[in-house]
Amino acid sequence: GQQVMQIPQYQHVQEGEDFTTYCNSSTTLSNIQWYKQRPGGHPVFLIQLVKSGEVKKQKRLTFQFGEAKKNSSLHITATQTTDVGTYFCAGPAGGTSYGKLTFGQGTILTVHP
Amino acid sequence: DAGITQSPRHKVTETGTPVTLRCHQTENHRYMYWYRQDPGHGLRLIHYSYGVKDTDKGEVSDGYSVSRSKTEDFLLTLESATSSQTSVYFCAISPAYNEQFFGPGTRLTVL
Repeated sequence: GQQVMQIPQYQHVQEGEDFTTYCNSSTTLSNIQWYKQRPGGHPVFLIQLVKSGEVKKQKRLTFQFGEAKKNSSLHITATQTTDVGTYFCAGPAGGTSYGKLTFGQGTILTVHP
Repeated sequence: DAGITQSPRHKVTETGTPVTLRCHQTENHRYMYWYRQDPGHGLRLIHYSYGVKDTDKGEVSDGYSVSRSKTEDFLLTLESATSSQTSVYFCAISPAYNEQFFGPGTRLTVL
């Protein structure tokens, strides 16, 4: 079945450093979504990318969708302690979709002040 | 946040007992999903619903059943809880094939 892999699993940074998490799918995706989950919280939708090669920015966050639509990345510039959490990518699951998503394992980001 | 609640928020139960988790939404969204979250596994889909009385299995459905008799409620039942079902359970809703809105989660411990 479809697999969505995310690396790294953990990332520790000093406040002010940059951070990147990578997402790779075993199949071509029609779109990819990113979610953030704060410690003890629930996942919150960040963004959806649809077009090949698409780049979107949200303040210090930059999201990219690969040309082949099989990979994506999230880059955070100058991390802050508020960026702490787990970042998940998710792509449409195979078969009849009904909006089903396959999530990556997530990257747990720790920011040291 | 979307109008989505889960109950109970925490539950401790014993192996072999039935457990029902409830997801309630006030958004009138068509699609509803149950996930479990375990360390190192991300979010895994248990069951989902694409309308009242329309449900189907996700990737980790063994040992779980669901029901949706009203648009706003999606119930997840563990017929006979096992220790391997100790997890955090999230319900999510979606109006269409796009972003999902998650509930606050239920932490279930099976002793």
